Amino acid sequence: ETGVTQTPRHLVMGMTNKKSLKCEQHLGHNAMYWYKQSAKKPLELMFVYSLEERVENNSVPSRFSPECPNSSHLFLHLHTLQPEDSALYLCASSQAQRDSSYEQYFGPGTRLTVT
Amino acid sequence: AQSVTQLGSHVSVSEGALVLLRCNYSSSVPPYLFWYVQYPNQGLQLLLKYTSAATLVKGINGFEAEFKKSETSFHLTKPSAHMSDAAEYFCAVSGLGQFYFGTGTSLTVIP
Repeated sequence: ETGVTQTPRHLVMGMTNKKSLKCEQHLGHNAMYWYKQSAKKPLELMFVYSLEERVENNSVPSRFSPECPNSSHLFLHLHTLQPEDSALYLCASSQAQRDSSYEQYFGPGTRLTVT
Repeated sequence: AQSVTQLGSHVSVSEGALVLLRCNYSSSVPPYLFWYVQYPNQGLQLLLKYTSAATLVKGINGFEAEFKKSETSFHLTKPSAHMSDAAEYFCAVSGLGQFYFGTGTSLTVIP
């Protein structure tokens, strides 16, 4: 595997289900990100982990819970979601940065549908 | 604070014609600027980045962008559009530990 991988690629879940999204990066990076991409809306940064510590949480509802067990893996745990949470969830990685000059590399995304 | 504005959510060009996608930025510090492309059902792929080394930046697939500080712009161009260029394009700016994406421009290439 190369780059950033995400599983599953597609997920359909009911509002009472619990599921997890997985992201793995094979680039030797030490920062990882979760984004939400909804139709006709800008990319929304949800969580940032740098050196395995959460450094940013942009007021995301508690029904989304991230986990970063090491610098290569990132999870997004989902529970009691709402239909408006249906979107493409993108994972990205980069080198940890103070001056933000390092580009982010993205996975292919998980298309989530909440029914 | 940093932000980017992409002018035109949809752009259509004929195959072989010039591609011009517009991006203006706002930054309180010298910015780092990026263009990404997203093909259907895929993640974002880096096209090119500006990090103050040169104002004209060349990227993959024949794209290039010019940083113009006086105009606070970082427009993306390609001399001759190809059908495979049809995609969503995102401009992004970073600085002070923050990374911001524009709302995207959908490029359609007409045969």
